Amino acid sequence: NAGVTQTPKFRILKIGQSMTLQCTQDMNHNYMYWYRQDPGMGLKLIYYSVGAGITDKGEVPNGYNVSRSTTEDFPLRLELAAPSQTSVYFCASSISGLGEKLFFGSGTQLSVL
Amino acid sequence: AQKITQTQPGMFVQEKEAVTLDCTYDTSDPSYGLFWYKQPSSGEMIFLIYQGSYDQQNATEGRYSLNFQKARKSANLVISASQLGDSAMYFCAMRENTNAGKSTFGDGTTLTVKP
Repeated sequence: NAGVTQTPKFRILKIGQSMTLQCTQDMNHNYMYWYRQDPGMGLKLIYYSVGAGITDKGEVPNGYNVSRSTTEDFPLRLELAAPSQTSVYFCASSISGLGEKLFFGSGTQLSVL
Repeated sequence: AQKITQTQPGMFVQEKEAVTLDCTYDTSDPSYGLFWYKQPSSGEMIFLIYQGSYDQQNATEGRYSLNFQKARKSANLVISASQLGDSAMYFCAMRENTNAGKSTFGDGTTLTVKP
C-alpha cells in the first residue's frame, strides 16, 4: 500500500519558472491537502479539497493553484516562482474531516533561486 | 490570532525520563479534534495521538498520552520513558467541526533526548 506519493522529492527552480508538484493517494480518501513548511516552522495550509471537483483556499494560497479532477490526484501548480516559495511542500490526505488523522507524503524540497 | 500555540521551541530530556510538551489552542467551536504529530530529522510526518473535544478520557497510545484540559484549552503531550529515537520535532494540530477540511498546526517543539 503506497499511501500518499509525492513527486519530485527535490527541485530547484529559477525565479519566474513554473512547475507542478504531483500528489496521488491510493487510499480512496476524500480529503486532500497541500501544506508548506518553512525552516523551523509549522505547517501552513495552501489549498485543500474535500472531494473531486471541489477545492478551497487555505492560509497561504497566493502564487499557487490546484485542481482535483479525480479522487486520487491533487496536483499543486506554482506559477512564476519566487524566492519566498522556497520551502518543503507536503501533500496529505484523510478519510474525511474532524476526527481523522492526516496521512502525509514524504515531502518535496523546493528551492527558488 | 494564533489558533495553536506551542511555547517551547526546544526541550531536553534525559533518556528513560518522562517529558511534557505544551500545546494551547483557541477555538469557539464546541466540536474539535486535537492531534500530535512527530517529525524526525528525516522529515516525514508521523501521527501520534488524537483527542476529541467530547472525549471523556485522556487519549493514550503506548508511551504517549495526551493531558487534555478543556477549560484551560490545553492539550499537552506526555512521553513516558523517553528513548533516543524520540528526538524529533513535535507538532500539535487542531481541526474544528466548522472547518473540518482544515488542520491548523503549531510551530512545533524540538525535543532532544540525552543518553
